[in-house]
Amino acid sequence: DTGVSQDPRHKITKRGQNVTFRCDPISEHNRLYWYRQTLGQGPEFLTYFQNEAQLEKSRLLSDRFSAERPKGSFSTLEIQRTEQGDSAMYLCASSLEGGQREQYFGPGTRLTVT
Amino acid sequence: KQEVTQIPAALSVPEGENLVLNCSFTDSAIYNLQWFRQDPGKGLTSLLLIQSSQREQTSGRLNASLDKSSGRSTLYIAASQPGDSATYLCAVRRRGQNFVFGPGTRLSVLP
Repeated sequence: DTGVSQDPRHKITKRGQNVTFRCDPISEHNRLYWYRQTLGQGPEFLTYFQNEAQLEKSRLLSDRFSAERPKGSFSTLEIQRTEQGDSAMYLCASSLEGGQREQYFGPGTRLTVT
Repeated sequence: KQEVTQIPAALSVPEGENLVLNCSFTDSAIYNLQWFRQDPGKGLTSLLLIQSSQREQTSGRLNASLDKSSGRSTLYIAASQPGDSATYLCAVRRRGQNFVFGPGTRLSVLP
């Protein structure tokens, strides 16, 4: 296994358009996390899944954001009606179950909203 | 609310120096702390994970310590190399909650 992968790596979209990102975790990892990172800041937690269940959502995740992990494998993060403030790096991470486990991050998807 | 700070924000050192990066957190009831490295425009690479019951972890030239009572962790890098140039992030986790990240320390190691 080559680690966590994310697609696309870069996305440029016009304000008001919808975008969808995909994350493929490490195959045996049942936990999957989404973070958002803006320039010069550390990542901020958005949401996480254990298998297909979405267990926690940050207040950062407005109604325009939705995440799914339908079969407990890959996950998608959709942003509807994008705004310029959505421009950021969207990072996905995965881990085994259990609070002691390390999180392994993907390369991220850089979103630019023009 | 857990807040994480990192000092210094940026650091520039000549190759071969030993250096220390600092991470402070406001709530000492943490589950674990993880140090990451991030190269420009890239994702995060895990360096070390310290459980709340541990005092330190070592991997190669890296040593991370944890003092929960004072809300501090340090990352020690021995014999720095230009390839160590990156942003170093610490993240703390409380039981039942997810990671809170610091803003990072941007390290430049000059040849």
